[in-house]
Amino acid sequence: NAGVTQTPKFRVLKTGQSMTLLCAQDMNHEYMYWYRQDPGMGLRLIHYSVGEGTTAKGEVPDGYNVSRLKKQNFLLGLESAAPSQTSVYFCASSYHAVRGETQYFGPGTRLLVL
Amino acid sequence: GESVGLHLPTLSVQEGDNSIINCAYSNSASDYFIWYKQESGKGPQFIIDIRSNMDKRQGQRVTVLLNKTVKHLSLQIAATQPGDSAVYFCAENPKGGGNKLTFGTGTQLKVEL
Repeated sequence: NAGVTQTPKFRVLKTGQSMTLLCAQDMNHEYMYWYRQDPGMGLRLIHYSVGEGTTAKGEVPDGYNVSRLKKQNFLLGLESAAPSQTSVYFCASSYHAVRGETQYFGPGTRLLVL
Repeated sequence: GESVGLHLPTLSVQEGDNSIINCAYSNSASDYFIWYKQESGKGPQFIIDIRSNMDKRQGQRVTVLLNKTVKHLSLQIAATQPGDSAVYFCAENPKGGGNKLTFGTGTQLKVEL
């Protein structure tokens, strides 16, 4: 089991460019999440998905879109990147939507927007 | 809204000593907390959790204490080792929020040899 994987590991964008971050999990988990982590702050939830074909907004969804076309993949898109989106992005998954299910995190994607 | 915060941004301990990492929360209705460990360049890893019907829970070398009266929880690491060096987050799983987590800001634990 690879667990939760993320691609790319690192990316530099210019303001206004677009990109897609890919998250994949091989644990047959129903729930998937995208977080961002900024210096001096904890992780903040961007969007999440409760199953294939469904997505929902988290705490900081503005400027991002997501898609869950396949159960194992959760994509995070930036249509027009801004310097404020410079951050480390973490994907996570959990088996159930039941409260208390452990979330398993990927290694992160470092994004720098110039 | 709810907030989960940590008292100290950095904690330095000698190898072999016990470490105590603190966390405060503001919502008295909060009833489920989790501690995560994040090593440099990696994603957070689950350490231990506790529900409000408990005051204490123990794992392997780790103990979490919950004081609901003062809305405070702590993570104790016994016989701290160099491999314990990491950032530690407390997180809350709010009621009605499904399995969504609200994270604190993190404490950097540095283990000195």
